[in-house]
Order: sequence, then C-alpha cells, then structure tokens
Amino acid sequence: SQELEQSPQSLIVQEGKNLTINCTSSKTLYGLYWYKQKYGEGLIFLMMLQKGGEEKSHEKITAKLDEKKQQSSLHITASQPSHAGIYLCGAGGGNKLTFGTGTQLKVEL
Amino acid sequence: DTGVSQNPRHKITKRGQNVTFRCDPISEHNRLYWYRQTLGQGPEFLTYFQNEAQLEKSRLLSDRFSAERPKGSFSTLEIQRTEQGDSAMYLCASSYSGTPQFFGPGTRLTVL
Repeated sequence: SQELEQSPQSLIVQEGKNLTINCTSSKTLYGLYWYKQKYGEGLIFLMMLQKGGEEKSHEKITAKLDEKKQQSSLHITASQPSHAGIYLCGAGGGNKLTFGTGTQLKVEL
Repeated sequence: DTGVSQNPRHKITKRGQNVTFRCDPISEHNRLYWYRQTLGQGPEFLTYFQNEAQLEKSRLLSDRFSAERPKGSFSTLEIQRTEQGDSAMYLCASSYSGTPQFFGPGTRLTVL
C-alpha cells in the first residue's frame, strides 16, 4: 500500500516569511492532491497535480510534482495568518485517496 | 453553489448504541466517499460509491459499519454497537468521476 510522509510535522513562521512543505511517497505518484484543514473542520481542496514536473499556483501558494523523486512540495510565499492550518497531501487514483499525517502551520504576527 | 453537507456535526453516544450519519454530496457528483480521521492523523479511506453502487470497502470497515447510497444521491453511514475506538471525525467527500474530491465539514463522534 502507498504511504505518504510529510515534513516537517509542524512549522512556526513569522508573518511575511516563505515556507516549504514536502510530501514523499513510497510508490510512484500518479496524482497528488493538496488540502488544507482547520482544526476540527473538513478539508479544503487546494491543488491537484497529475504530471511529472507539473507546477500550479493559486494566490501565494505554489505546488510542484517531482515524479522521479516521488515527491511533491508546497511553497507559500509571504505567509499570512490566514495560511495557518494543517496541510495534507493525498495520493491516489479515481477511487480513494491515501493521506499523509499532515503538517501543522502556525503563522506568528 | 452548495458544497458537501454532513449531519449531525457532532454526536455523543454511549458505548453500545447505534449511530447514523448522513452526507449530502454536491448535486452533480456521481462518486461519494467516506473517510475516518483521528487526532493527529490524515483521513483514512473507508468506502466509496459510484452512483448507488458501493464499489470498494476498506478493511477498516468492520461488520459493525454499514454504508448506503440508496438513490445515488445522499449517503448514510451507520455504526452499530459503538465502541470507544470508534471515536473520530467521519468525513464525507464527493467528486465527478474521480477527481478532485471535495470534502464536507465532518461529523465528530464521541463514544463515552
């Protein structure tokens, strides 16, 4: 079965700083999804990456997929308090997703 | 545009009782998924439906768990004879033919 490891597990950054979260898979990635979760709430879809080398951006968040390394990264530029939460990567085909354990991000003023 | 909705949002029950959760997917989505999430972990897949057909079930879905999607629209997840280990957030997601999956707010179950 596929396993996803996220690093770091938690991160505290000052507002305005850049940060990167990594997601490494034990198997080949055929699709990688990034979600954000506020504590006690559901998951909010951020981005989907399907091809090796693919890079997508939305506002100040950029995600990349390195198929050869079986890895994806999520980069936030000029972090804001609204970016705080738990970031989860998920992988899978059209039926089910396997998730990492998440990276908890705190943004300090 | 309404997203995925789940009811109830919170449920507290005593060990041994039965509970039922409901999920209403995004209206045009043909696939519906159930996941379970415990504290500090990512969601774990339980089962999924394409229209009214239940196509896959995880080993996590013991005999006490049953899910239905009778008319291919809303779905229910029932847990019989609840145990303290069933305490978790139960998340529902929907999609149109696979990807991406959009999640509801979840139902938090506490078994006393």
